[in-house]
Amino acid sequence: DAKTTQPTSMDCAEGRAANLPCNHSTISGNEYVYWYRQIHSQGPQYIIHGLKNNETNEMASLIITEDRKSSTLILPHATLRDTAVYYCIVDAGNMLTFGGGTRLMVKP
Amino acid sequence: DVKVTQSSRYLVKRTGEKVFLECVQDMDHENMFWYRQDPGLGLRLIYFSYDVKMKEKGDIPEGYSVSREKKERFSLILESASTNQTSMYLCASSSLWDISYNEQFFGPGTRLTVL
Repeated sequence: DAKTTQPTSMDCAEGRAANLPCNHSTISGNEYVYWYRQIHSQGPQYIIHGLKNNETNEMASLIITEDRKSSTLILPHATLRDTAVYYCIVDAGNMLTFGGGTRLMVKP
Repeated sequence: DVKVTQSSRYLVKRTGEKVFLECVQDMDHENMFWYRQDPGLGLRLIYFSYDVKMKEKGDIPEGYSVSREKKERFSLILESASTNQTSMYLCASSSLWDISYNEQFFGPGTRLTVL
């Protein structure tokens, strides 16, 4: 059974914020939420991760609900180069299980 | 700059051939992984290794073997390639010691076609 549920695809206008949701209702207390993205013809790339608190880095922000059953990845000012498949993953160790992800299309 | 390199970007082999896919990382990482990626199926873990000469089966190990003789190098071997092994193969590495920060660094991938 998949640990995460994400929309298959989303569109976003260039320069606007992209908000990518993820449901992980069966997350365990010791599992982290990770986000990776995969740009066409490249390997996946780490974006951000968190346990309970919201996190921000130079690429994105991660908002985790208080009950930890869902999260949102925010790209504050999406550019055309952010067009990619975004994967939400829950993990408690060294293993990452990639689901289908969300295909984000940033449009001019 | 951290780097994971794979021996080929594109490879074409014939059914029954023995195929070696090589992966090298320069980050002194303990963990190394091999995935395959197919449309509609996402990334699936084939094998991983926590240390030199150690290997563990992933979700789909059948038809594959691996070798890790040196820390920086992890090889994926297709003993007798078959057409259903046509896929994109991705190698990754990560550090063992911080389980709260599981960033895997991926190579560019090898697109293997078996004819």
